[in-house]
Amino acid sequence: EAQVTQNPRYLITVTGKKLTVTCSQNMNHEYMSWYRQDPGLGLRQIYYSMNVEVTDKGDVPEGYKVSRKEKRNFPLILESPSPNQTSLYFCASSQRQVEGYGYTFGSGTRLTVV
Amino acid sequence: AQSVAQPEDQVNVAEGNPLTVKCTYSVSGNPYLFWYVQYPNRGLQFLLKYITGDNLVKGSYGFEAEFNKSQTSFHLKKPSALVSDSALYFCAVRAPNQGGKLIFGQGTELSVKP
Repeated sequence: EAQVTQNPRYLITVTGKKLTVTCSQNMNHEYMSWYRQDPGLGLRQIYYSMNVEVTDKGDVPEGYKVSRKEKRNFPLILESPSPNQTSLYFCASSQRQVEGYGYTFGSGTRLTVV
Repeated sequence: AQSVAQPEDQVNVAEGNPLTVKCTYSVSGNPYLFWYVQYPNRGLQFLLKYITGDNLVKGSYGFEAEFNKSQTSFHLKKPSALVSDSALYFCAVRAPNQGGKLIFGQGTELSVKP
């Protein structure tokens, strides 16, 4: 089944403890992206990647890192999480960055930083 | 700046009645428009998209949307609402020359009552 898989689904952590949210897609998509969803704000892009070893900042990159060493994987790293990073996170992929293609989304990771 | 607006935080409809969820956009160039639906504790699911051609686009679960260039709108519609349509709906635009980014509206909560 074609899908984007995120792990974990739920995570509670403490301020300052490094964490990684994994994202993997099995569709050979070139384009991958991370979004965070907050009430009243919709989804905002954190980082995106157009291909292996090519990453760039989205609208809200502060406090996050990503890497794209393989085409299928695009982990999101929080080096020192803070409470304002409590949010619902989605990974998404697309066949390419051409505008007519939509995204396939993962099921989401609900992160709570205390 | 490119943006998407969903003017209603919540829409309430009785089962069997028609529903409309509003979306307006602001982009330079020809927009590529999408609607996604999010059920509780789930990721975003693709409903439909407008790329070019007929202004009335039909999508999944009986939904359709009408692209209106002069009003820069892309309203989501369904002739007869079901209780199971209750969910959070997002309008999004993928703007030309924006690196493939999907820009989302803030979301509209649709509630369909029996």
